[in-house]
Parts: sequence; C-alpha cells; structure tokens
Amino acid sequence: LAKTTQPISMDSYEGQEVNITCSHNNIATNDYITWYQQFPSQGPRFIIQGYKTKVTNEVASLFIPADRKSSTLSLPRVSLSDTAVYYCLVGDTGTASKLTFGTGTRLQVTL
Amino acid sequence: DTAVSQTPKYLVTQMGNDKSIKCEQNLGHDTMYWYKQDSKKFLKIMFSYNNKELIINETVPNRFSPKSPDKAHLNLHINSLELGDSAVYFCASSLAGLAGVTDTQYFGPGTRLTVL
Repeated sequence: LAKTTQPISMDSYEGQEVNITCSHNNIATNDYITWYQQFPSQGPRFIIQGYKTKVTNEVASLFIPADRKSSTLSLPRVSLSDTAVYYCLVGDTGTASKLTFGTGTRLQVTL
Repeated sequence: DTAVSQTPKYLVTQMGNDKSIKCEQNLGHDTMYWYKQDSKKFLKIMFSYNNKELIINETVPNRFSPKSPDKAHLNLHINSLELGDSAVYFCASSLAGLAGVTDTQYFGPGTRLTVL
C-alpha cells in the first residue's frame, strides 16, 4: 500500500507559482501518480497524472524524479480561484481499494 | 450536461431510518464508485462496481448496500442510519477500473447526509 505524505496547508499570493510536493516512498512499479483538486462542497476533480519525468497540461505540471519516491505538482501563476484542497494519489484504478485520498494540501491564495 | 449526478444533494434524517442516494453517469463508463468523506475531510472508497458487478467492498457496515441496475447507475442504500453515518458521500465513475489500467475518476457533486 503506497502511502502518501503532503503538507497540510500552503499559502500563496495571486500570480505566484505554487509547488506542492508529495512523498510516496513505497510506490510500486505499476503505480501511477495522480493529483486531484477539490473545492468546498464539490467532488474532487482530476488535474494531472504521470508515471515518470515530467507531464504538463493546460492546468499544471507534474515533476517526478527518477526514483519516483516523490512528486511535485506545479501550478503556474495561481489565482484566487485555485484556492482548494489538492490530493496526491498513488496506485492504479484496479486497486482502487487502496486509493486513499489522505488529508490533502489546503492551498489558500490571497491578493 | 452533468457527467456524474447525485440525488439528493442534502439529506437530513433521524437515526434508525433507511435512506437511499442515487447516482447516474452519462459518460459511458464501465466502473462506478462510492466514497465517504468524513468531517475531517478524509475521502475513503466504500464500493466499486464494474459493469454492474461488485469488485470492491471495503470494510463498511452491511447496513450499506450498493445497487447497480445498469452500468450507468449505482445507488447507495443505507439501513438503520446512525449518527456516525453523517458525512458527504461522493459517487464517481471511470472508464475501465480494472487492474493494470489507470484512468481518471469523475466525481459527482456529493450528497451531504446528516443523521440527527
């Protein structure tokens, strides 16, 4: 069971780049790393997923070092609307019983 | 167009009652899930269905019974509600959900259940 560890909270000013790091020391060979975003009173929303190196989409970038024991979600130029909880998950959907979202990182963006 | 919808959004009921929460997805996905998010915001999977068949049943009380009439619907029935059942319940779906296939889960808006 790949457990993840993230900071409980982070603060940022609008326009800054935010990097949220997740530790997953016992990640398995078949595991992918997935990040979700959750706004208050809404369900989690997929942001990005990767296996190794770097993945980028229109919302974020995901950096994964060679040993895959950690990953960093990078949000460029955050805005107030990026205030949310960000969850790092490790696993594959076939083992969804092991997909524990954990406490996530609460990002607060201010002016 | 709502991809994953749940009804009701809010549910307030007395202890001991039986209630159901409905979930529907119009994404054509094969797998659907129920999650529970407690007051501490931990989000934990309860059940997973693939093509109307139960594939994951985590350690939840047997008062909770999922029912899947077809692969677009996964309803959650709860018997003899208890105070500790108060939480937000999220339905989700994904394309495959089988071992070795990693795909995105799409979540519904959640149902806030309050047991008095």
